[in-house]
Amino acid sequence: RKEVEQDPGPFNVPEGATVAFNCTYSNSASQSFFWYRQDCRKEPKLLMSVYSSGNEDGRFTAQLNRASQYISLLIRDSKLSDSATYLCVVTGERGYSTLTFGKGTMLLVSP
Amino acid sequence: EAGVAQSPRYKIIEKRQSVAFWCNPISGHATLYWYQQILGQGPKLLIQFQNNGVVDDSQLPKDRFSAERLKGVDSTLKIQPAKLEDSAVYLCASSQTGSNYGYTFGSGTRLTVV
Repeated sequence: RKEVEQDPGPFNVPEGATVAFNCTYSNSASQSFFWYRQDCRKEPKLLMSVYSSGNEDGRFTAQLNRASQYISLLIRDSKLSDSATYLCVVTGERGYSTLTFGKGTMLLVSP
Repeated sequence: EAGVAQSPRYKIIEKRQSVAFWCNPISGHATLYWYQQILGQGPKLLIQFQNNGVVDDSQLPKDRFSAERLKGVDSTLKIQPAKLEDSAVYLCASSQTGSNYGYTFGSGTRLTVV
């Protein structure tokens, strides 16, 4: 079983749509959780951290369910500029400070 | 604040040749990481340094890959000899000691092995 698994993509949605990404992780000892965004031919950049209580940043909402080892990202009112690959990331698999990435899910937002 | 610098940006080599990549982390960041990202995959950790010591190199193919960080600042990653399956983007990242936040990636080196 892979350490971090994500929905296969791509997701094609129209502007204004709501889209949800799902992620599961295999190690119950994982400690920290993030969503990163990666634009085409660019490096990954931190989008937001994920907490059990859930957290929101504008149109983006992230949730963590430790019991189910499940992480989600919800994007409301999608914009063209949201088109990118979204990477689910956990730490603790290989040490507290080491990031383990999922394969990523590509989002394509069309006019 | 200057970011993580990497060079070269692109490299094309023939299989069995050797290649080296260079990384200069953010000033004061003690932890340095090299990741390999194959097209369509997420980044995979190759090696992690804490200052000039190796913390984790369990996923580094040591028969052909080597890395060093001699003075605890700059780092080089070498592949010798290269294989076709080494075609990927090699990303360097740095962070402050013990932190999994403030993880800054360089723009990467795109390697094509033909």
